[in-house]
Amino acid sequence: NAGVTQTPKFRVLKTGQSMTLLCAQDMNHEYMYWYRQDPGMGLRLIHYSVGEGTTAKGEVPDGYNVSRLKKQNFLLGLESAAPSQTSVYFCASSPSVPEAFFGQGTRLTVV
Amino acid sequence: LAKTTQPISMDSYEGQEVNITCSHNNIATNDYITWYQQFPSQGPRFIIQGYKTKVTNEVASLFIPADRKSSTLSLPRVSLSDTAVYYCLVGAYLTGGGNKLTFGTGTQLKVEL
Repeated sequence: NAGVTQTPKFRVLKTGQSMTLLCAQDMNHEYMYWYRQDPGMGLRLIHYSVGEGTTAKGEVPDGYNVSRLKKQNFLLGLESAAPSQTSVYFCASSPSVPEAFFGQGTRLTVV
Repeated sequence: LAKTTQPISMDSYEGQEVNITCSHNNIATNDYITWYQQFPSQGPRFIIQGYKTKVTNEVASLFIPADRKSSTLSLPRVSLSDTAVYYCLVGAYLTGGGNKLTFGTGTQLKVEL
């Protein structure tokens, strides 16, 4: 089992560009989450999903969109990247709260 | 979700026992207490969870007093590899509805020789 896999691991974007981060899990988990982590700070929840076809807003959803068309995948989209979105993004999945499994992270830089 | 308060940082030496206390004064009846560990450049890793009294696994122990307004993560005989950020989370299990894992800023534990 691969667990939770995030693609890509690193990315540099220019301001205004768009991109999609992919999170894939092979554990058949119902719940999936997207977080961002900035230097010296804890994780902040962007969006989450409690099942295929459902999404919900977290603490910092502005500037991001998500989709969960398939149970195993949770996509995070940035329609028009801004320097404030420079961060490390973590995806997680869980069979039930609170034990979640995290991916290795995506380091995104917006210049 | 109940708000949690934990120390920003702690220092220890190899071989010592480390206790990190988390305050959660407004914990709800259905809330569980969970601790995660995060190493630099990695995602958090689940350590332990509990509801009341004491829970022990191969990594740590979790002590929860009767009023459940605080909890203490105990790491026995720490080593350099235990240097990490430790997060305390409080929340209920999902029961078909929506819920979310909310992380605070955590406690940076530094273990030295």
